[in-house]
Amino acid sequence: RKEVEQDPGPFNVPEGATVAFNCTYSNSASQSFFWYRQDCRKEPKLLMSVYSSGNEDGRFTAQLNRASQYISLLIRDSKLSDSATYLCVVNMRGGGSQGNLIFGKGTKLSVKP
Amino acid sequence: DAGVIQSPRHEVTEMGQEVTLRCKPISGHDYLFWYRQTMMRGLELLIYFNNNVPIDDSGMPEDRFSAKMPNASFSTLKIQPSEPRDSAVYFCASSPTTSGKTPGQFFGPGTRLTVL
Repeated sequence: RKEVEQDPGPFNVPEGATVAFNCTYSNSASQSFFWYRQDCRKEPKLLMSVYSSGNEDGRFTAQLNRASQYISLLIRDSKLSDSATYLCVVNMRGGGSQGNLIFGKGTKLSVKP
Repeated sequence: DAGVIQSPRHEVTEMGQEVTLRCKPISGHDYLFWYRQTMMRGLELLIYFNNNVPIDDSGMPEDRFSAKMPNASFSTLKIQPSEPRDSAVYFCASSPTTSGKTPGQFFGPGTRLTVL
């Protein structure tokens, strides 16, 4: 099983749609989770951290399911500017160690007018 | 505030040549990371430093790769000799020390390396 797995997509959705991405991870001891966004030919940028209780930032909602070892990202009322690749990131060794972040290969989202 | 700065942004070189990539982390960040990104393998951690000290270099592909951090505001990643399979985008990232949960990392714009 890969350490961090994501559906590569692409997800092609119309403006205004709601879209959800899932990501599974292999290490049950992982404690830190993130979603990053990467635009074409740009660097990854932190979108949001994922907390156990779930968290929301505007149109974006992240949730964590420890029992099933997956995290999700929900985007409501999608905009053209949401088109990007979304990377799931997990701290694989658990704890707060900085150097153990594993990046998924990303899910590509394309929002059409 | 300035983000992570990398240079050069693009590098085209011939096989066998030495390549040096440079990075300036965000001021006050005491962690610095070097990543490589390819279509096939995604984003891979090569090495990271804490307070200028290399902590984990297990991701460095082979002896042709070396990294240094002589001070808190500068790091280099060197490939000598370069090979076509080293062609990729190399990212530098930095992050601060925080109590509690791991903070996110802040990435530079990357260096797009092509080895002919």
